[in-house]
Amino acid sequence: ETGVTQTPRHLVMGMTNKKSLKCEQHLGHNAMYWYKQSAKKPLELMFVYNFKEQTENNSVPSRFSPECPNSSHLFLHLHTLQPEDSALYLCASSQDRLGRGNTGELFFGEGSRLTVL
Amino acid sequence: GNSVTQMEGPVTLSEEAFLTINCTYTATGYPSLFWYVQYPGEGLQLLLKATKADDKGSNKGFEATYRKETTSFHLEKGSVQVSDSAVYFCALSDTAGTALIFGKGTTLSVSS
Repeated sequence: ETGVTQTPRHLVMGMTNKKSLKCEQHLGHNAMYWYKQSAKKPLELMFVYNFKEQTENNSVPSRFSPECPNSSHLFLHLHTLQPEDSALYLCASSQDRLGRGNTGELFFGEGSRLTVL
Repeated sequence: GNSVTQMEGPVTLSEEAFLTINCTYTATGYPSLFWYVQYPGEGLQLLLKATKADDKGSNKGFEATYRKETTSFHLEKGSVQVSDSAVYFCALSDTAGTALIFGKGTTLSVSS
């Protein structure tokens, strides 16, 4: 496999459920990201990991819990979500963390469509 | 703070029409600018980029010129195809940022 792979592609959960989204990149990149895509809103950066260390938490509610066990895998653990959390969650990776003069490209997965009932 | 503003969509065109999607930005310093495209059912992919003023990014017939004086990075294509139907996102990355900052996206629909 190549690129960035996200599973599941679709997830429906109740507000009391606990579920996880998984992202895997086969590009040898060092930085990984979670973005939230909601209709008619800009993509919202949620978390940034660089060499497995979290470098950015963009004021995300604690009901979203990221985990990065290694540079190739990124999880987003979900619990007690709200209906307004329904969105497309996109994972991305880049060779190195953007900024600090690095203007590298982000590679995105196809996203996980989450519906919270 | 840094931000990106794109024209509201949807943009509906006939095949072979000229396309312009406006994008303006607010940023400190000298950001790099990007256009990403999202085809139906897929993730975002980089379309083109420009890293300094007056640079022109181009790919697949699309072009955008980094205009520092007007803080703009408008996307253009001379003749669109049905296969260009997608959502287009303008984005920036400044030297102090940690990730890309995206606009809301503009939906393009091209009919034959």
